[in-house]
Amino acid sequence: AQSVAQPEDQVNVAEGNPLTVKCTYSVSGNPYLFWYVQYPNRGLQFLLKYITGDNLVKGSYGFEAEFNKSQTSFHLKKPSALVSDSALYFCAVRGALGFNKFYFGSGTKLNVKP
Amino acid sequence: GAVVSQHPSRVICKSGTSVKIECRSLDFQATTMFWYRQFPKQSLMLMATSNEGSKATYEQGVEKDKFLINHASLTLSTLTVTSAHPEDSSFYICSGLTSGGPQETQYFGPGTRLLVL
Repeated sequence: AQSVAQPEDQVNVAEGNPLTVKCTYSVSGNPYLFWYVQYPNRGLQFLLKYITGDNLVKGSYGFEAEFNKSQTSFHLKKPSALVSDSALYFCAVRGALGFNKFYFGSGTKLNVKP
Repeated sequence: GAVVSQHPSRVICKSGTSVKIECRSLDFQATTMFWYRQFPKQSLMLMATSNEGSKATYEQGVEKDKFLINHASLTLSTLTVTSAHPEDSSFYICSGLTSGGPQETQYFGPGTRLLVL
């Protein structure tokens, strides 16, 4: 069965500091992992994905994520947070090839304070 | 990235009426579209998977006669909430799935806020 867990409901960070939003996954087969961001009253915006290749994936708005197979994690990171990064972040895993349903985590609210 | 639009963005209706929400993929063809429901401060709940030219696949607990889904073309899927009641008030989000094997990615619409009075 496919699932993702986001252990933190909320992450607080000061502007300019590095940020990490955690995600762990459970899949049968190769993992296809995604990060999305949601601003208030908006749909989700795609940030980045890991399909195969380099463990460090770079995405939109300066975000990156590190795939760690041994720890079954796919944490989202950014070297220097901006106030405008404050939003709700969702990690997702896609089912095995041929099964296109996505499984979303519960979401993590990121608060970046000036 | 690929663009998905939804219309309307907000709708207020009376209890007992039906509401149709449109989801369009603007710059790609989406053989598969998904419909989600999101409650305040919660994650997305998948309602159904919509495949072009065939019947939608509904998740367990979702009433297919209440939430009618039509995916008539590769760029348009519609969700009709029939005989809406206040408990149907929610944020509805659609997404389109780009095709292409392992690189498949979901792109989301901006959402529709439904308020049933």
